[in-house]
Amino acid sequence: GQNIDQPTEMTATEGAIVQINCTYQTSGFNGLFWYQQHAGEAPTFLSYNVLDGLEEKGRFSSFLSRSKGYSYLLLKELQMKDSASYLCAVRDRSNNAGNMLTFGGGTRLMVKP
Amino acid sequence: DTEVTQTPKHLVMGMTNKKSLKCEQHMGHRAMYWYKQKAKKPPELMFVYSYEKLSINESVPSRFSPECPNSSLLNLHLHALQPEDSALYLCASTPTDSSYGYTFGSGTRLTVV
Repeated sequence: GQNIDQPTEMTATEGAIVQINCTYQTSGFNGLFWYQQHAGEAPTFLSYNVLDGLEEKGRFSSFLSRSKGYSYLLLKELQMKDSASYLCAVRDRSNNAGNMLTFGGGTRLMVKP
Repeated sequence: DTEVTQTPKHLVMGMTNKKSLKCEQHMGHRAMYWYKQKAKKPPELMFVYSYEKLSINESVPSRFSPECPNSSLLNLHLHALQPEDSALYLCASTPTDSSYGYTFGSGTRLTVV
């Protein structure tokens, strides 16, 4: 099975930087994804890591350490519209449907003025 | 076309009704998924179809019945639901190439009364 942990809630100030951590345990790691989800809407893809290191995409960056079972999502220059839930999801090659994702509980980020 | 389309967007049904949720994609993705998401919770996997065949059923009650008539279409037939089945139902698809994550539909907000 898989165990994916991330903080339940975080609060940050507009213009600041916030880091959302995710730890996981899986037997056949095959990629980690971050999704953003606004209330009542579908998740939207933010980033994908399969090798160790940092992936940067505009204001968002994601880091992976496979040996530590650890990832973080870094959001810079926070904007009010970044208030949302951030879902960490892991793909495991040992399941029957190779592209299936298992989601962590999500981190609700509140950006304050 | 790079979207997953779900209909209807909202559905209110009685406990004795029969209704269906529809999901459609024309990206040539051969894996399609149904997820259920309650408020402030992560998406929970219900069913996985791979090449139009059901590959994973996560112990979902029989009042939910999936169907995959062709490679572009995924249905979820609902019958005799309970109020606790009220949730956001998300459809997602992926290509067989493992480099990609999910493309989600916008979801169907289901209320059982």
